[in-house]
Amino acid sequence: AQSVTQLDSHVSVSEGTPVLLRCNYSSSYSPSLFWYVQHPNKGLQLLLKYTSAATLVKGINGFEAEFKKSETSFHLTKPSAHMSDAAEYFCVVSVPLSGGGADGLTFGKGTHLIIQP
Amino acid sequence: DTGVSQNPRHKITKRGQNVTFRCDPISEHNRLYWYRQTLGQGPEFLTYFQNEAQLEKSRLLSDRFSAERPKGSFSTLEIQRTEQGDSAMYLCASGRRTISGANVLTFGAGSRLTVL
Repeated sequence: AQSVTQLDSHVSVSEGTPVLLRCNYSSSYSPSLFWYVQHPNKGLQLLLKYTSAATLVKGINGFEAEFKKSETSFHLTKPSAHMSDAAEYFCVVSVPLSGGGADGLTFGKGTHLIIQP
Repeated sequence: DTGVSQNPRHKITKRGQNVTFRCDPISEHNRLYWYRQTLGQGPEFLTYFQNEAQLEKSRLLSDRFSAERPKGSFSTLEIQRTEQGDSAMYLCASGRRTISGANVLTFGAGSRLTVL
């Protein structure tokens, strides 16, 4: 079965400092992995996706993530946090649906990112 | 921006009442998903449509829940005889498969249900 574990429920950083949100995955085959962000009262927005191409994936708003198969990790990073980055972040793995021909998504529990001024 | 639209955004109802949510997906997406998100948790898969066919339902979808997508365009999610445990954010997403093979979903802003 495919699953993701987000290692921190809350992360607090100061504005301008690096961000690290940790995610480990479990999958019986080569997975597709995603990071989504959810701002209050807004829909989930795709930050970036990994689909077995380059292991270092660049996303929107300066975020990137590195797929490490040996560590079964897909941590999200950003060199310098901005106040607007405060939100809930979800690590997501694609899972096959029995209905055929499509995948669903399994979400982690989320990491709440707090940016201190 | 013709993204995924959900209505209503908020619904407060009394226990035992029926509620219906509507989702209008991105027009060129043939895949439509419903998820449920409770406070402090990530979204959980409920059901999936490819065009008008409902191809998968989660165990979370009790017999009080029914979803339809009659013409392969918009979808409705109805909850009958609501219970307090149904209080959650109901998210709709539509999807397409990218050239790389990934299933990329675009989510709506959600419909928040509060059952009193």
